[in-house]
Amino acid sequence: QSALTQSASVSGSPGQSITISCTGTSSDVGGFNYVSWYQQHPGKAPKLMIYDVTKRPSGVSNRFSGSKSGNTASLTISGLQAEDEADYYCNSYMTSSPNYVFGTGTKVTVL
Amino acid sequence: EVQLVQSGAEVKQPGESLKISCQVSGHSFSDYWIGWVRQMPGKGLEWMGIIHFRDSDTRYSPSFQGQVTISADKSITTAYLHWRSLKASDSAIYYCTCAVHGTTWFDPWGRGTLVTVSS
Repeated sequence: QSALTQSASVSGSPGQSITISCTGTSSDVGGFNYVSWYQQHPGKAPKLMIYDVTKRPSGVSNRFSGSKSGNTASLTISGLQAEDEADYYCNSYMTSSPNYVFGTGTKVTVL
Repeated sequence: EVQLVQSGAEVKQPGESLKISCQVSGHSFSDYWIGWVRQMPGKGLEWMGIIHFRDSDTRYSPSFQGQVTISADKSITTAYLHWRSLKASDSAIYYCTCAVHGTTWFDPWGRGTLVTVSS
C-alpha cells in the first residue's frame, strides 16, 4: 500500500487561506469517509486536527476545516497564523492491513 | 484524560534486541487500539501496525511484518514494540497512539521514543 499523495509544500501570508490536498484511491480515501488530519510541529508529536473528513475535535480552531471529493481529501486553513506553520499529514482508513495509511506530508510555511 | 507514556530514548548496536513500551492511562475501558508509527529523520509518518488491547488482534504493515513484533499486556495497560535484531536503518522516532474501537482517528499520541542504532 503506497502512501497517499500530498503536495510537498504550501505557503501563504498571514490572514490568507490555504488548502492541502491528499489523493488516494477508491480503496482508501475514496472508499470511506474516514480521513483524519494531523499537525506536527518540529520536534513534537502529531496532533489530531480533523477526523471523519469534516469533524473538528474539541479545542481545535474553527479555522481548520476538511472536505472530500472522490479520491481526494482536503484540509483548509483559513486566516493563516504564524502558529500554523508545521507539517500536516492526512490519514485514511483502508481495508488492508494495518487498516490505515498516511499521506506523504505537506510542509506549511507562513510567509 | 487519556495519556500515553512512552519509554525513554535508546542507543543500541546493530544486532541487539530492543523492546520499547507505551503505557496508557485514563481510559475507563480496554476497547481501544494502539498504533505504532515510525518517523525516520527528516521523513514522514509511517504506520508499522496496530493492536487491539482487548483481544490482542494485531495488524502489521507489509513493510514491517516479520521485522518487528507488537504486543500488549492488558493487566498493566501497556503496549510494546520489539525488535530481535536491530539495524542502523531502524534509527528513528517511534510514536504510539490510540483509537477507541469503532472510531478511525488516533488521539492522543505519545511523545515518541528516539531509537539510535549505531556501532
